[in-house]
Amino acid sequence: AQSVTQPDIHITVSEGASLELRCNYSYGATPYLFWYVQSPGQGLQLLLKYFSGDTLVQGIKGFEAEFKRSQSSFNLRKPSVHWSDAAEYFCAVGAGNDYKLSFGAGTTVTVRA
Amino acid sequence: DAGVIQSPRHEVTEMGQEVTLRCKPISGHNSLFWYRQTMMRGLELLIYFNNNVPIDDSGMPEDRFSAKMPNASFSTLKIQPSEPRDSAVYFCASREGWEAFFGQGTRLTVV
Repeated sequence: AQSVTQPDIHITVSEGASLELRCNYSYGATPYLFWYVQSPGQGLQLLLKYFSGDTLVQGIKGFEAEFKRSQSSFNLRKPSVHWSDAAEYFCAVGAGNDYKLSFGAGTTVTVRA
Repeated sequence: DAGVIQSPRHEVTEMGQEVTLRCKPISGHNSLFWYRQTMMRGLELLIYFNNNVPIDDSGMPEDRFSAKMPNASFSTLKIQPSEPRDSAVYFCASREGWEAFFGQGTRLTVV
């Protein structure tokens, strides 16, 4: 079965600085990979997804992520964060015909002025 | 489309009472999921429906939990009797293909 690890529980970043959130997955074949964002009191919103093809994927809100098969990683990046990016971010993996998405534990991002 | 709609947004109930959470998926989506989110366990998949049929309920914690999907536009998650450890945020999500759309959740507090 597939699984996801987000090593960082909490990250604090200054407004305008770059952000990188780590995600490592475990799965024997090419997985389907997702990043979701959850603002306080809200549901999860899809930021971006990777199925195949170009390993650098662009998402909404200026986010991008890079799939690295050799490292089993799918890290999320943003060049310059805004205060509105403060939220919890979840990496998720799906695989083949398995309908299930496995979510990581999440990384909380705090943005300081 | 208004997205996935869950009701109520907040529910406070006494231990032992029956609780019913409701979900209206996005029209045209053929898959529906119920998740539970807690600080300790993160996001847990409770049950999955495909074309209104329960496919996998292995995540349902106990017999006190039950879920139904009588038609393509409505699903319920029922807890009877409720216990304090059921306190969590319950999310419904619907999906067409691999992109899941989540509702805003129901925050359940059992006292």
